[in-house]
Amino acid sequence: SQQGEEDPQALSIQEGENATMNCSYKTSINNLQWYRQNSGRGLVHLILIRSNEREKHSGRLRVTLDTSKKSSSLLITASRAADTASYFCATVALDSSYKLIFGSGTRLLVRP
Amino acid sequence: EAGVAQSPRYKIIEKRQSVAFWCNPISGHATLYWYQQILGQGPKLLIQFQNNGVVDDSQLPKDRFSAERLKGVDSTLKIQPAKLEDSAVYLCASSATSGSHEQFFGPGTRLTVL
Repeated sequence: SQQGEEDPQALSIQEGENATMNCSYKTSINNLQWYRQNSGRGLVHLILIRSNEREKHSGRLRVTLDTSKKSSSLLITASRAADTASYFCATVALDSSYKLIFGSGTRLLVRP
Repeated sequence: EAGVAQSPRYKIIEKRQSVAFWCNPISGHATLYWYQQILGQGPKLLIQFQNNGVVDDSQLPKDRFSAERLKGVDSTLKIQPAKLEDSAVYLCASSATSGSHEQFFGPGTRLTVL
């Protein structure tokens, strides 16, 4: 079963614009991760935010986490055509299994 | 550092046939995962190994799927017999035992069952 649900399912923006994707999940978590998947490079880890963190930055990526609402957002600033991909949030539960449960993903298209 | 290797990259079979996928994780990574990703969905964990022991196989359809990780390194995932609904990309991932939650994924095997 899928833990997270991403919103929107698909997003189309112009190069240079910002892209925001949201993720909601159901159970208490240890951490939440964002992954990117495209045909060229497969599934790649982008960023991890722990349950006691509220915001994290990595380059053009900004992730927020609201554990009270069980939601997270991924912001990509100054988007590039190369950012075109599917983006998935994945949660790790509070137990020690390190098991990732993925959401259904947001398909991002960045138009040149 | 070499990444996670998988083979074959593509496989087409007819229903009721059998198929096997191979994965070689990143050197030194004790934890290995197999995921199934159906078109338009996120990956779903099938089985997780810690060294050569199974940690979680709760979502593995054991009547037709099997997996092994001999010697705690390479792993194979087998489907016998395949059904139409098994058409998907099968992803292998590995992670270190240092407590890192980051998983490194291979390129996947795209299976088409006709």
